[in-house]
Order: sequence, then C-alpha cells, then structure tokens
Amino acid sequence: AQSVTQLDSQVPVFEEAPVELRCNYSSSVSVYLFWYVQYPNQGLQLLLKYLSGSTLVESINGFEAEFNKSQTSFHLRKPSVHISDTAEYFCAVSGFGTGANNLFFGTGTRLTVIP
Amino acid sequence: NAGVTQTPKFQVLKTGQSMTLQCAQDMNHEYMSWYRQDPGMGLRLIHYSVGAGITDQGEVPNGYNVSRSTTEDFPLRLLSAAPSQTSVYFCASSPGLSGGAHEQFFGPGTRLTVL
Repeated sequence: AQSVTQLDSQVPVFEEAPVELRCNYSSSVSVYLFWYVQYPNQGLQLLLKYLSGSTLVESINGFEAEFNKSQTSFHLRKPSVHISDTAEYFCAVSGFGTGANNLFFGTGTRLTVIP
Repeated sequence: NAGVTQTPKFQVLKTGQSMTLQCAQDMNHEYMSWYRQDPGMGLRLIHYSVGAGITDQGEVPNGYNVSRSTTEDFPLRLLSAAPSQTSVYFCASSPGLSGGAHEQFFGPGTRLTVL
C-alpha cells in the first residue's frame, strides 16, 4: 500500500522569497509521484510529475521537485514565489497493478504568499 | 473539449435523502474516479472505473454506489445521505495505463451539505 505525508499544513512566505513544501511517501513498490495545486474554489490542476528518468522535474511556472528514492521524498521548491502562487498544494502517489491509476494524496499544504 | 464536467456545483440534502452526482468527460478516457475532499484529510478515493462496465471500490466506498454504462459518464449515487457525507466531491479521469499516462484530470467539484 502507498501513503503520503505532508508535514507542513500551512506555509507562510514573503513574496520573492524561496519556498520548499515537503512530501514523503511510503510504498513497497516503485511509484509515480505528482504535485497538484488547488486554487480557491477550484478543482485540482497537475503541477508536475515524476514517472521515470531524470529525478529533477520542472513545471512551466518555476516550481521544481526532486525525486529522492533513498529518502522517499519528493519535495517541491520554488526559488522566488509570487502572490499568485497562494494556493493549496497536494502531493500524490500512484503505483502498479490493479487500480494503478489510483492516486493516494497527502493532506495538503496551504501556501500563503505575503506581500 | 470541455474536459471533466460535474453537476450540480452545490447541493443541500436532508439526512436520508438520496441523490446522484453527475460526472462526464469528453476526452475518451478509460479511467474515471471519484474523490471526496475533507479539511485536513486531503482527497480520498471513493470508487473508480478502468473502463465501461467495470467499477471497483476505493478507500471510502461505504454509502456510495457507482456505475459506468458508457465511457463518458460516471455518476456517483448517495443511497441515504448522512451528515458525515458533507464534503466536496471531485470526479477525475485519465487515459489509463493503455494510454501510457497516470496523470488525472479533475472536474471543478460538487460541494455537498447534508443537514
């Protein structure tokens, strides 16, 4: 079975400062990893994903995440945040076998960017 | 493409009432799923389907039924609503394993309140 832990429920950060949102997972098999973003009163949008290959993945709006198999982590980072990055961020994992498309989500981290 | 659509956006029920949340996708995706989102708990999988005529249970299936008679539609039925089912419900779809992708596309959500 897979599970995801997001230790920080809320992260306030000043505009233009760097941010890291932490995600750790547990799984007995290889996994695929995702970060989704949810803006207020909206559905979830895929931010970035790790399926295979390079362990560093990037999004089009400046976020990046690094898959670290030895530490079972997939932390999300951005070197300089903008007001528009204020949202809730969810880390998720999916695996193999029956229901391999099923996503297991962390509890979310609410990022608040302060002007 | 409209993507994943959900109706209604908001619903208030009384305990014991039944209703159906509608979900449709126009991307010819094999895989569809229902999640519920509760504060501090992230998203949890209710039911999923890997193709027309095939459904299976997720983490929290009790009190809900699904069917998949067509590729496009995946309705979620609440048999006898309870206050514990007050939540935001999200439908999602994915090309599925045969499509070589694990990314899921989410609808805008249905906010359900059970009194």
